[in-house]
Amino acid sequence: GAGVSQSPSNKVTEKGKDVELRCDPISGHTALYWYRQSLGQGLEFLIYFQGNSAPDKSGLPSDRFSAERTGGSVSTLTIQRTQQEDSAVYLCASSLGQFETQYFGPGTRLLVL
Amino acid sequence: DQQVKQNSPSLSVQEGRISILNCDYTNSMFDYFLWYKKYPAEGPTFLISISSIKDKNEDGRFTVFLNKSAKHLSLHIVPSQPGDSAVYFCAARGMGGSNYKLTFGKGTLLTVNP
Repeated sequence: GAGVSQSPSNKVTEKGKDVELRCDPISGHTALYWYRQSLGQGLEFLIYFQGNSAPDKSGLPSDRFSAERTGGSVSTLTIQRTQQEDSAVYLCASSLGQFETQYFGPGTRLLVL
Repeated sequence: DQQVKQNSPSLSVQEGRISILNCDYTNSMFDYFLWYKKYPAEGPTFLISISSIKDKNEDGRFTVFLNKSAKHLSLHIVPSQPGDSAVYFCAARGMGGSNYKLTFGKGTLLTVNP
C-alpha cells in the first residue's frame, strides 16, 4: 500500500516569503506528526494531530509556524515570513494510533536564501 | 539539553562482521525505545523497538539490548551487509500524556564495506 507522501520534495524560497508543506498520511492512520531535521541534528518534534485536532503544538519554534489537518487526512505545515534558520528537512509521520509505530514520509527539503 | 545521545557520528565495519550502534538517554521517564534506519533522500524507516520491561529484543539479524540502570541501549547487526549502510537513529518515547512524541538522537552513519 501507499506510504506517507510529502510535497514538494524540495523547496527553495527567499527570506520573508511564506511556504506551505503538504503531508498525505497512510490511509486510516488517525495520528499525524511533523518533525524537523536541521543539518547535523536529530529529528525535532514539532506538532501532533489526533484526527483533526492538535493537542500538542509545543514543538512549533515560533508563531510563524502553524499547521492544520483536514478530513482526518491531509495536513499542511505553513511557515510565514521564512528565515534562514528555518532551512531544514521537514518530515511528516503517521501512525494507526498514538501508541503505534510512526511511519515517515520522505521529507521536504526547505532552503531559505 | 539532549535527552537521547548517540555519541558516535559514524561507524565503519567489514561485511559479515558485527555492527554495534550505541545510544544513551538521560530521561528516566522514557519507557519505549526504537531504532530507525535512514537512507539518503528518504524518510526514516522503523527497524526494531524495545519496551523498558525487556532487556533484549531480536528480529532476524537485528537485536536491541536495553540496560535501564545504565540508561543505555545498543543495536547489534549480525552479520552486517553493505545494504545496511545508512544513518541509524535511536529514539525514545515517554510515559504519560506525551507518549506519542519521539525524542531522537543525532544519528550514527554506518558504513559496511564489502
